[in-house]
Amino acid sequence: GAVVSQHPSWVICKSGTSVKIECRSLDFQATTMFWYRQFPKQSLMLMATSNEGSKATYEQGVEKDKFLINHASLTLSTLTVTSAHPEDSSFYICSATMISGTGAYEQYFGPGTRLTVT
Amino acid sequence: AQSVAQPEDQVNVAEGNPLTVKCTYSVSGNPYLFWYVQYPNRGLQFLLKYITGDNLVKGSYGFEAEFNKSQTSFHLKKPSALVSDSALYFCAVRALDDKIIFGKGTRLHILP
Repeated sequence: GAVVSQHPSWVICKSGTSVKIECRSLDFQATTMFWYRQFPKQSLMLMATSNEGSKATYEQGVEKDKFLINHASLTLSTLTVTSAHPEDSSFYICSATMISGTGAYEQYFGPGTRLTVT
Repeated sequence: AQSVAQPEDQVNVAEGNPLTVKCTYSVSGNPYLFWYVQYPNRGLQFLLKYITGDNLVKGSYGFEAEFNKSQTSFHLKKPSALVSDSALYFCAVRALDDKIIFGKGTRLHILP
């Protein structure tokens, strides 16, 4: 099946620095990419919807200036956590969607990136 | 509003026994329903989905789910649990705008 990769898989950074997380669809062109965040022992929270060549659509309560999303191509989306603080420590997961040859909607998840801000 | 509910935070099952993880949904139109599993420090893994057709859907690792339109449920099942099935399970529904709405997750403990 289709594969979505994320890089890095884990990162530790100091408070006040910025961290960029990449999400790539390896063998397909993604119609749309989504970014999710998961707090410990909690469900996934959708952060934003990203379409290639256009501005991301952020969910209510998500700071767009803090979580910068760039969707440069149909296979790459990046999430930059700017001026990270310890409360930004979380597990970030991206997903990429496509329409298969049969017209079916398919969504594939990346392996996730664990961010720890010290 | 579209939503997914997983009423149990945790389910404990003895190894070898059948397991059920419950999920109910509220969605406009015909639902696209999914089950995902998440192992510690890992991303989500797709288990199965219901789009249309047979109400009993078979998925990965011996799991299956039954779509019940009248009860708006999509419970995950497995006839014989393994210790390795212990993980966090998410039910999800695809919204009209293509977003995936997740339930809060159910932690499954399989007891040896």
